[in-house]
Amino acid sequence: AQTVTQSQPEMSVQEAETVTLSCTYDTSENNYYLFWYKQPPSRQMILVIRQEAYKQQNATENRFSVNFQKAAKSFSLKISDSQLGDTAMYFCAFMMASGTYKYIFGTGTRLKVLA
Amino acid sequence: DSGVTQTPKHLITATGQRVTLRCSPRSGDLSVYWYQQSLDQGLQFLIQYYNGEERAKGNILERFSAQQFPDLHSELNLSSLELGDSALYFCASSADVYYGYTFGSGTRLTVV
Repeated sequence: AQTVTQSQPEMSVQEAETVTLSCTYDTSENNYYLFWYKQPPSRQMILVIRQEAYKQQNATENRFSVNFQKAAKSFSLKISDSQLGDTAMYFCAFMMASGTYKYIFGTGTRLKVLA
Repeated sequence: DSGVTQTPKHLITATGQRVTLRCSPRSGDLSVYWYQQSLDQGLQFLIQYYNGEERAKGNILERFSAQQFPDLHSELNLSSLELGDSALYFCASSADVYYGYTFGSGTRLTVV
């Protein structure tokens, strides 16, 4: 069975600084997808970024980028130029490339951006 | 507005009761997923429907059931409610799962 671990329950960062959230996962599969979702106080789950396991190139979306290390089963999220609006819970999710397409979520990291 | 509509937003009910949560997926999305978010168990997959048919089941209790109707909206029925069923219930839909789901804003269920 797949598992996803987020070892940082809470983090804080100063506005305009850079922060990295860690995520590790365990799977014996070779083909899968990884996602980061953001859940602000409004509780809406918002997709931040996605990574296809067969692609070596790290995904980037504006200020958000990932460091995907397939061999190490690591998928960290880097937020550059942090903004107050980035304050939220961040969840890492794993999805197999075939089958049920359900997500296995990590327990989340609560990020607070300080003014 | 994500395009996925969940009603009601909040629900308070007593133990032993039955409730129905409703979800309308984004226009054109055939897949609907239900997730439960609770403090002790985190985000857990409950069930998936695709174009009216059940595709996958997760850790869904026997007291819970769901269906997807011909117009693609879905309902999650929770019966014989217990205090531990208090949680945020999310519905999500997707056109292409490889690009991620779109989540609704959730239904906050409180069982008292």
